[in-house]
Amino acid sequence: SQQGEEDPQALSIQEGENATMNCSYKTSINNLQWYRQNSGRGLVHLILIRSNEREKHSGRLRVTLDTSKKSSSLLITASRAADTASYFCATDAEKNSGYSTLTFGKGTMLLVSP
Amino acid sequence: NAGVTQTPKFRVLKTGQSMTLLCAQDMNHEYMYWYRQDPGMGLRLIHYSVGEGTTAKGEVPDGYNVSRLKKQNFLLGLESAAPSQTSVYFCASSYSPTSGLYNEQFFGPGTRLTVL
Repeated sequence: SQQGEEDPQALSIQEGENATMNCSYKTSINNLQWYRQNSGRGLVHLILIRSNEREKHSGRLRVTLDTSKKSSSLLITASRAADTASYFCATDAEKNSGYSTLTFGKGTMLLVSP
Repeated sequence: NAGVTQTPKFRVLKTGQSMTLLCAQDMNHEYMYWYRQDPGMGLRLIHYSVGEGTTAKGEVPDGYNVSRLKKQNFLLGLESAAPSQTSVYFCASSYSPTSGLYNEQFFGPGTRLTVL
């Protein structure tokens, strides 16, 4: 079953606007990661936030984490057409085996129009 | 560095045929993973490996087998392909979380498999 669920499923904005995507999850996590996927390509890691962090920045990206609500948000500021892609959250939760793996959500498709 | 590479890029199989997908990484990562991506389903973990000679089942392991004979390679096998296995397959690798490094995953470009 999916651990992370992104919202909205699709988002269409104009260049220069901000894009916000949300992710909700169900169980305790070690960290939460955001990935980007351009059409027909593999996923690329964007940013990781640990369970004891509340906010993190990387360039035009801002990620927040609220462990009490089991939710995270990804904000892309001043969007560009090149930001058009699918964005996935992934949660790192320890399995019964003792090893941790990532569980990916279904993604948000972002379209940025010039 | 090539990162994570996958072969082949595309393949069409008939029902019942077998094939092996090859994943290779040159980053000395301990962990390797195989995912499948279907429309509207996101990525689902098929099998993973936490080190050379070890493999473990993920969320959707049925119909697939894997082997990790060398640290840099992770093979995914389909013994008797079914139309339900039509998908895009991604390989990924990462450091072990116990290494003190974060376990961000590095992905290959994917293999698009169609089973007729």
